[in-house]
Amino acid sequence: DAKTTQPTSMDCAEGRAANLPCNHSTISGNEYVYWYRQIHSQGPQYIIHGLKNNETNEMASLIITEDRKSSTLILPHATLRDTAVYYCIVRVMDSSYKLIFGSGTRLLVRP
Amino acid sequence: GAVVSQHPSRVICKSGTSVKIECRSLDFQATTMFWYRQFPKQSLMLMATSNEGSKATYEQGVEKDKFLINHASLTLSTLTVTSAHPEDSSFYICSARSQGTYEQYFGPGTRLTVT
Repeated sequence: DAKTTQPTSMDCAEGRAANLPCNHSTISGNEYVYWYRQIHSQGPQYIIHGLKNNETNEMASLIITEDRKSSTLILPHATLRDTAVYYCIVRVMDSSYKLIFGSGTRLLVRP
Repeated sequence: GAVVSQHPSRVICKSGTSVKIECRSLDFQATTMFWYRQFPKQSLMLMATSNEGSKATYEQGVEKDKFLINHASLTLSTLTVTSAHPEDSSFYICSARSQGTYEQYFGPGTRLTVT
């Protein structure tokens, strides 16, 4: 699976949009971009995933660049409960079904 | 839907003893279950993959005789840490995948402390 690079930490103000970048310059054509988050001392929570089109759900939006070498997770109106570590994962949908976690971005939402 | 539970949520055991952690899929049948370990301020590390009814596949560097994994039913997998040592103290997380999907649903984790 392709390697991802994320900033170690970020912060944003409550109520503002949080934009979390992820670089995956070695991504292959059949690899998807997944985002999970982990609130302190809990299991990871799925947020969103995409292949090449932008995606939106009730939690977030995922913007993937046209060359697919980077993506941005957008939390449109961050709340204090969005404080967590956000993991960008690139995975191929093969029979191993594995998720390999990188180091993630620690997002702090400030009141 | 897609709820995964773990039991216990916290466990303290003495060095040299064994401890079993259960992972259950509550509302779906888990064809595949995964076990991860997470040390403080670090990311999740995949330990092993288990498919129902077959032997687990361990990641490189994970001792299969120390971390025994059983996936005897479609809703239950267990991880037994044998002859635990203080360095085995960690946060153990399981996830489960149902047949026909790629999505993994994670349990809440089990914090193991070996004294």
